[in-house]
Amino acid sequence: GAVVSQHPSWVICKSGTSVKIECRSLDFQATTMFWYRQFPKQSLMLMATSNEGSKATYEQGVEKDKFLINHASLTLSTLTVTSAHPEDSSFYICSARQGAEGYTFGSGTRLTVV
Amino acid sequence: GENVEQHPSTLSVQEGDSAVIKCTYSDSASNYFPWYKQELGKRPQLIIDIRSNVGEKKDQRIAVTLNKTAKHFSLHITETQPEDSAVYFCAAAYNQGGKLIFGQGTELSVKP
Repeated sequence: GAVVSQHPSWVICKSGTSVKIECRSLDFQATTMFWYRQFPKQSLMLMATSNEGSKATYEQGVEKDKFLINHASLTLSTLTVTSAHPEDSSFYICSARQGAEGYTFGSGTRLTVV
Repeated sequence: GENVEQHPSTLSVQEGDSAVIKCTYSDSASNYFPWYKQELGKRPQLIIDIRSNVGEKKDQRIAVTLNKTAKHFSLHITETQPEDSAVYFCAAAYNQGGKLIFGQGTELSVKP
């Protein structure tokens, strides 16, 4: 079946630094990728939708200058958390749209900012 | 904007009993309604889904019902087992390819 590979699975970074998270679709072309954030014991909150070759669409309340999304190819989308702070610590997960087959999720990235 | 409400937030049942989780959605254009099971720190796992042209779908012990008029859909788990314990999320999307909006989640606990 379809696989989305997400890396890293976990990362610890210092406050003020930037962190890049990658999602790759391994056996299909993902024209659209969705990025979610999940705080402990909460739901998956959609942050943005990225489409290959165009600017991402951000949900209300999500700072586009802080969460940079790049979708330069049909198999790779990246989320960069810039100038990370402890309140950005969360579980970040991507999901690729796979035509009419539905959604395939990455394995998630646990970000801890210290 | 789009919104999905899910109830209850926690549900505790005895092994063998049934569990029902309910969701409502706001966007009448939504036409794809998946249910996911998520274990701690893991990705959501699709357990069943339903499209808006179908009122009910069943897969062994799991069933989903959809009432388009009322914008309600529900997950039914029969003969629950301890391994069914997890967090369950409903979601709604437009055209099964548009953005997927999740409900708040239900923590199901099945007691032996």
